[in-house]
Amino acid sequence: NAGVTQTPKFRILKIGQSMTLQCTQDMNHNYMYWYRQDPGMGLKLIYYSVGAGITDKGEVPNGYNVSRSTTEDFPLRLELAAPSQTSVYFCASGGWDWGRSAYEQYFGPGTRLTVT
Amino acid sequence: AQTVTQSQPEMSVQEAETVTLSCTYDTSESNYYLFWYKQPPSRQMILVIRQEAYKQQNATENRFSVNFQKAAKSFSLKISDSQLGDTAMYFCAHGDSGAGSYQLTFGKGTKLSVIP
Repeated sequence: NAGVTQTPKFRILKIGQSMTLQCTQDMNHNYMYWYRQDPGMGLKLIYYSVGAGITDKGEVPNGYNVSRSTTEDFPLRLELAAPSQTSVYFCASGGWDWGRSAYEQYFGPGTRLTVT
Repeated sequence: AQTVTQSQPEMSVQEAETVTLSCTYDTSESNYYLFWYKQPPSRQMILVIRQEAYKQQNATENRFSVNFQKAAKSFSLKISDSQLGDTAMYFCAHGDSGAGSYQLTFGKGTKLSVIP
């Protein structure tokens, strides 16, 4: 059971380039999220999805796009990369722990992105 | 919008001692979840403990426990018998279930150092 996996772990982009950050979960969770963490800060929500085919904006969506064609995958697309997008990106998935009757959210290992 | 405040940017504790990390939040929702995540130098976000707002009993997970004061909107984390491996950033997060998305709002974190 791998949990939440992200690729790549590191990436350097030039200004104006585009890329896709991949995220896959194997816990059959309906909810998936993309967050970014800037230095010395907590995480901020970029986009989220409550199920396949359904996505919505979070707090900081500008410059990003997402899609959710399957339950497992939730890629994040960066178009026309800018230095302000230099950050660590975390994908997360969430679902119910029925044994504890509680919601849980688990994170991938993160992608460190530098735009120069 | 929900806000989460961690008023202690940095804390230190002697090994084997007890330390309490503070967190306050603001929400207009009645049904929500609260979490503490640990982020060691590896940057992995690790779920430490969670609390459902409708439960009056404080959550405990081994050496970790919370003091949940719903009326005061306070959610502190107590770490007992501190170990060197507890050295990390700790983030408090609020999850709103009202909109059905369970998206998390994070505080800025508290850097905890455990001193041998």
